[in-house]
Amino acid sequence: RKEVEQDPGPFNVPEGATVAFNCTYSNSASQSFFWYRQDCRKEPKLLMSVYSSGNEDGRFTAQLNRASQYISLLIRDSKLSDSATYLCAVPTVDSSYKLIFGSGTRLLVRP
Amino acid sequence: DAEITQSPRHKITETGRQVTLACHQTWNHNNMFWYRQDLGHGLRLIHYSYGVQDTNKGEVSDGYSVSRSNTEDLPLTLESAASSQTSVYFCASSERTTGNTIYFGEGSWLTVV
Repeated sequence: RKEVEQDPGPFNVPEGATVAFNCTYSNSASQSFFWYRQDCRKEPKLLMSVYSSGNEDGRFTAQLNRASQYISLLIRDSKLSDSATYLCAVPTVDSSYKLIFGSGTRLLVRP
Repeated sequence: DAEITQSPRHKITETGRQVTLACHQTWNHNNMFWYRQDLGHGLRLIHYSYGVQDTNKGEVSDGYSVSRSNTEDLPLTLESAASSQTSVYFCASSERTTGNTIYFGEGSWLTVV
C-alpha cells in the first residue's frame, strides 16, 4: 500500500455542485494532515490543516476517519475558481517534520 | 512580508553539466526541503535539512546534493545533470514544530537536453 493515495480524477462537476475527494494513508500514528491546492504550473498552497476529527473553512470541510485511515475534502457550492489539483499530505513514519504527498486529485468545475 | 524565493525560475542545461538551484527563505524557518514534481509521481522529497550544517537524503536523492551554511538558504546541486532530472523543483520550509505547515517556493523549471 502506498503511504498516501488519491484518486487522480479528473472530477468534472458543474458550478454549484458539491464534490468530495478522499485520501488514504498508511501511517496510523499520524497526528496531522494537510490539504494543499495546486494550480497549473504553480506551487502547492495550503488549503486546510486537520489535527483532530475535522476542520471547516467556509465552503471547504476536511474530515478525518482514523479507523479507516482516510481524510476527505468536501467542497460545497463549487466555483469555477475551485478548478485545480488538490494534494493531501501526511507526515512520514520516521519524522513528523517531513510530509509525504499524494499525487493529487484534479477538479474541473464547468459553467 | 516573509517569503521563500527560488532562482532561476527556468533553466535549460546540457547533459553532464553541474547545475545549482537556489532557495532563500526569510521566515527564519529551521526546516527546509527540496521536492521534485513529475507527472505520475507527484511530489517526491530529494533532500531536507533541519538546521544549519544538517542535511539528509530523501527518497530520490541520487545525483543531488545540498548544503546548509545558514538558516536562510538551501541550494540544490545537480552534480552531473541527466535528462531524467528534467522536472520542476520546489523548495519548501517549515517551523521546527511537530505538525507545522510546509510552505513552498514558486518552483524552478529545469530542462536537461
